[in-house]
Amino acid sequence: GAVVSQHPSWVICKSGTSVKIECRSLDFQATTMFWYRQFPKQSLMLMATSNEGSKATYEQGVEKDKFLINHASLTLSTLTVTSAHPEDSSFYICSASDPRANTEAFFGQGTRLTVV
Amino acid sequence: AQSVTQLGSHVSVSEGALVLLRCNYSSSVPPYLFWYVQYPNQGLQLLLKYTSAATLVKGINGFEAEFKKSETSFHLTKPSAHMSDAAEYFCAVSNTNAGKSTFGDGTTLTVKP
Repeated sequence: GAVVSQHPSWVICKSGTSVKIECRSLDFQATTMFWYRQFPKQSLMLMATSNEGSKATYEQGVEKDKFLINHASLTLSTLTVTSAHPEDSSFYICSASDPRANTEAFFGQGTRLTVV
Repeated sequence: AQSVTQLGSHVSVSEGALVLLRCNYSSSVPPYLFWYVQYPNQGLQLLLKYTSAATLVKGINGFEAEFKKSETSFHLTKPSAHMSDAAEYFCAVSNTNAGKSTFGDGTTLTVKP
């Protein structure tokens, strides 16, 4: 299958700072990328859907000013957690797909964010 | 709206025994169904998917699942469990092959020696 790479794999940041997580499709054009959040021992909750070149669509209850998503190219989407707080600590996972090719969405390896 | 229910948050089997992980879905359109496995602190790995072709789907690592429309189920099975199968398993539903997915709560599979 196709490869989706997330960076960093883990990050620790101080409260009040911002942190950026990258999601890259390495061998296909990801016209659509999805960002999920996973709390310990829980399922994945979709945060937002981003389409290349347009604004992200956020799920209900997700603060768009808190979680900034940029999808400026066909191979890269970024999630920036602004003014992070300890309650933002979580596992963030992206997935990428190319609806034009009708392939399933491929998942990155996830990013463990810890806010101290 | 779509939803997934995974019956049994924890399943424990002995090595060599049958693995059965249950998944029921709800969808207003013909669904695409997926099973993923997740190891600690890792992303999701696709085990298999149903996309309206054969109802019995074979996946990686000896897993398979059967789509039963009348029961709205997509249970995952493996004839003989290995220790390496111990992980978290998620069932997911989507209305397209490449679209966003709705995940079940997950089932933790434990394999006893």
